[in-house]
Amino acid sequence: AQKVTQAQTEISVVEKEDVTLDCVYETRDTTYYLFWYKQPPSGELVFLIRRNSFDEQNEISGRYSWNFQKSTSSFNFTITASQVVDSAVYFCALSEPNSGNTPLVFGKGTRLSVIA
Amino acid sequence: DAGITQSPRHKVTETGTPVTLRCHQTENHRYMYWYRQDPGHGLRLIHYSYGVKDTDKGEVSDGYSVSRSKTEDFLLTLESATSSQTSVYFCAISETGQGAGETQYFGPGTRLLVL
Repeated sequence: AQKVTQAQTEISVVEKEDVTLDCVYETRDTTYYLFWYKQPPSGELVFLIRRNSFDEQNEISGRYSWNFQKSTSSFNFTITASQVVDSAVYFCALSEPNSGNTPLVFGKGTRLSVIA
Repeated sequence: DAGITQSPRHKVTETGTPVTLRCHQTENHRYMYWYRQDPGHGLRLIHYSYGVKDTDKGEVSDGYSVSRSKTEDFLLTLESATSSQTSVYFCAISETGQGAGETQYFGPGTRLLVL
């Protein structure tokens, strides 16, 4: 079963629009960690945020915000006032401390295109 | 930025030849990982290491082997490259490993084309 689902394969928005990237996860553990990574066109993977399962407070960092809801097993990422530099593939990932040989499970990513 | 380098950054090789990719870190982190990234699959773990000479298999380990003789270096070897191993390979490091849900930091990637 897929443990991290990013249902939006591609999203296009016009610059300055707000956009939300969805992430739904599946786990039986009570302790787990969720991550978001950004992969710009240059190809590197950039860490954005790490959240543990006991901290449901939303996080805001500049134009970026994250909404963690255990009730719906979701960890959504919102970019406010999007910019062209936000164009990238964004990955959500899940870490379960008691997992076997897959320490970090990634979703398939959402490609965001911000059009000027 | 985490001090992680990968070499080579690009490689073209022929089916049946052995290929070794190198990951080097300057952070003295205990855990190192090799992933492959393919369209429609996201990133998938190949092998990881939790210390010098200590390695374990990941989700897609068939056709790959690894070695770690020094803390700073983690080598990925394709014993006999096949076209299905054409991919982008990423190395990652973390300080303490999966038990603590530690953040993994990624290298710049290696693009491998097997003809």
